[in-house]
Amino acid sequence: DTGVSQNPRHKITKRGQNVTFRCDPISEHNRLYWYRQTLGQGPEFLTYFQNEAQLEKSRLLSDRFSAERPKGSFSTLEIQRTEQGDSAMYLCASSLADRVGEQYFGPGTRLTVT
Amino acid sequence: GQNIDQPTEMTATEGAIVQINCTYQTSGFNGLFWYQQHAGEAPTFLSYNVLDGLEEKGRFSSFLSRSKGYSYLLLKELQMKDSASYLCAVMNDYKLSFGAGTTVTVRA
Repeated sequence: DTGVSQNPRHKITKRGQNVTFRCDPISEHNRLYWYRQTLGQGPEFLTYFQNEAQLEKSRLLSDRFSAERPKGSFSTLEIQRTEQGDSAMYLCASSLADRVGEQYFGPGTRLTVT
Repeated sequence: GQNIDQPTEMTATEGAIVQINCTYQTSGFNGLFWYQQHAGEAPTFLSYNVLDGLEEKGRFSSFLSRSKGYSYLLLKELQMKDSASYLCAVMNDYKLSFGAGTTVTVRA
């Protein structure tokens, strides 16, 4: 399977704990995006990378969120001191740099903060 | 800021045609994209428009009027498997802003 993969698929954590999610994009895609989606809403942009450079971070993203793409391949999204409001589906997508609207999404990581 | 509006729900009969409208007000515009999302699954790319007019892709067509800030997705010959949420997304500064999605239910 050469699609976008994400791990874990589900994560249940207690408030205040740190969590880390991983995304493996399509190998030839140099752009990687993170989104958050809650029930009944469309995906909300969080941040994106071109190769290993993080080019933009949403103003909605608090300092508790950090993302990396150290070698321009896989990416990690870490949430520190989780809050109940962080409960959502976290989606990763990738694209070619010249076809940024045609994004390929992974299956997502569903986070539940109790 | 971005403001993207689309109806919450639509219901149609198998074999029929459904048109999903999307209006947008954004600070910039690089293209209008449509994605399909089945319940519990990730969005998948359907179509895009950069210039005004109609783009046809099999049973799906998408239309754009940039001056009116308006797009629609037309689904023809509806099949049960078309029951899903359809997301309108505007590209601005080379990132996507999504609407809340329109849930289409296809009835037999």
